Amino acid sequence: GENVEQHPSTLSVQEGDSAVIKCTYSDSASNYFPWYKQELGKRPQLIIDIRSNVGEKKDQRIAVTLNKTAKHFSLHITETQPEDSAVYFCAASFLSGGYQKVTFGTGTKLQVIP
Amino acid sequence: SQTIHQWPATLVQPVGSPLSLECTVEGTSNPNLYWYRQAAGRGLQLLFYSIGIDQISSEVPQNLSASRPQDRQFILSSKKLLLSDSGFYLCAWSPSQVGGAYEQYFGPGTRLTVT
Repeated sequence: GENVEQHPSTLSVQEGDSAVIKCTYSDSASNYFPWYKQELGKRPQLIIDIRSNVGEKKDQRIAVTLNKTAKHFSLHITETQPEDSAVYFCAASFLSGGYQKVTFGTGTKLQVIP
Repeated sequence: SQTIHQWPATLVQPVGSPLSLECTVEGTSNPNLYWYRQAAGRGLQLLFYSIGIDQISSEVPQNLSASRPQDRQFILSSKKLLLSDSGFYLCAWSPSQVGGAYEQYFGPGTRLTVT
């Protein structure tokens, strides 16, 4: 089955600096890569996603890149703000038997220091 | 727009007691539905998924079960809770589709503590 590894597990940055979280996946069938942000005690919220036919996607201060050959994808947050502090999860998924088979990474706890 | 509800929001149950958590989705039809569990400080573990009424599949063996009596209702149950069942239970939905890949949206979750 699919295996998703996520690094680092914790990340501290100064406000205004950039943060990068990296993930690798194992199953070449995966074709959809969402990123979720989870604040303490809350549900995971989808913040950005990328499909396998695209190499990069940007939405204001966040961007995601995908390297299908190397099977890795990354989340980039620029000009970080204290409200970016949360746990971020990457995921890799593909359609299997009519449902979205999603495998999540283990999460990165991002702390933005004011 | 679509909305997903879960209840209860929090639950404290003794070991050996039964469990019933409910999830409902509004604003869509024939969604794919999922139950995840998140242990404290950990990632998301898929427990069950459903592509239609009474069509349930399990990802991991456990003492939990799931049912989907209606198109937009998904229930997670147990006859006898274990301490290890404690965690944050999240229901999610995604559009049903043939081909392609679609995002999953999570409900607000139920925090279960087994004592």
